[in-house]
Formats: sequence, C-alpha cells, structure tokens
Amino acid sequence: KNQVEQSPQSLIILEGKNCTLQCNYTVSPFSNLRWYKQDTGRGPVSLTIMTFSENTKSNGRYTATLDADTKQSSLHITASQLSDSASYICVVSLNTNAGKSTFGDGTTLTVKP
Amino acid sequence: DAGVIQSPRHEVTEMGQEVTLRCKPISGHDYLFWYRQTMMRGLELLIYFNNNVPIDDSGMPEDRFSAKMPNASFSTLKIQPSEPRDSAVYFCASSLGGRQPQHFGDGTRLSIL
Repeated sequence: KNQVEQSPQSLIILEGKNCTLQCNYTVSPFSNLRWYKQDTGRGPVSLTIMTFSENTKSNGRYTATLDADTKQSSLHITASQLSDSASYICVVSLNTNAGKSTFGDGTTLTVKP
Repeated sequence: DAGVIQSPRHEVTEMGQEVTLRCKPISGHDYLFWYRQTMMRGLELLIYFNNNVPIDDSGMPEDRFSAKMPNASFSTLKIQPSEPRDSAVYFCASSLGGRQPQHFGDGTRLSIL
C-alpha cells in the first residue's frame, strides 16, 4: 500500500533555532516528492518539488533533501521565524497516475518567541 | 495573477440539504483537484479533472457526492443530501501538469448540523 509517514507529529522550537522534519514513503513507482506549508485557515502552499534524480532543493530558509534509495526526505528550516508556525505536509506522486498523490498527515510546527 | 478562488468560504446547513461548492482555477491550468481535509483523515483526494474531463473519482465517498467542470474556469462539488459526517474543509487546487505543484484555494469550511 502506498503510504507517506511524517515525523514528528508536532514540534515546538524557539525563534531563531533550526529544525528538521522527516518524511518516509513507500509510494511506488515514484514520480516526485513535494513539501507544502499550510497556515491555519489557509490552503497548502508549495515549498519544494524534487524528482528522483534530485538530492536537494532550497527555497529561502527551507531546504529539502531526498534519498530515493531509502525512500526518505527531510525538510530543514534554518533560523526559524514566528511565521514558520504551520503544518508541513509531505506529498509523493505516482509515476503511473499523473494526478494522484499520497499525502502525509503533516507535522505541526510551533515557533515560540 | 489571481490564485484559486473558492466560494463560499463558510457554509452551515442542515442535514439533508443540498450543498454546492464552487471553484475557479488559475487561468491556463489544465488540472483541477477537489480535496477534503479533516483532523482524523488529513487531506484526501476526492476527484481530479484534466482539461475539464474527470479522470479519477475513486476518492468520492458516495453517490451523494458529484463534481462537474463545465469549462476551464469553473468547477462545482455537490453533496446531496448532506450528512453531518460530511463536515470538513473542502479544498480546490489547480496545476499546470498533473505532477506539478498544486495551487490551493483557501477552502470552504462546511458544517452540516
């Protein structure tokens, strides 16, 4: 069964600190992996997208990594800000069904001053 | 360019009533997705369209749910009759290409009493 598991479920850090969120997947055949940020009361917003051949992708203070061999991805947030408080969702797309993706349950990040 | 526009933002209605959710995708996007988000089940894909044609509706929970896309700039998701367990946030998203980052609307928060 295609699954995406994220950890931790929730995380609290102090402003200015770094953190890393994890995503493990069993989706096959793999097409790409995306990280989204979802603020409370809003729709998810895309942060990064990585294909099989890409190991790292950055978007400002957000850096995603992908290890396609171990089927693991991480999202690293540098110098966190209060506005980083949100849910971060890992999404993996199938190679065989263009529109179908498997969503993780998300990690809820709280950044405190 | 305007993002994905959903209406209404909030809907409260009584069990048994018909509910219609509306979505205007980003101009030029060829894929449109309908999702449902709950605390228990996270984000679930209900149905997606490619060039206005429904491609995969395997996520539609029951015959009470139906979706249409009469043209490239408009889609509806209808629930008839509605039930309390349909209460959730419904998101519409669009993308240029099925495996590309999706642009989400801000959702419709639906409460069925």
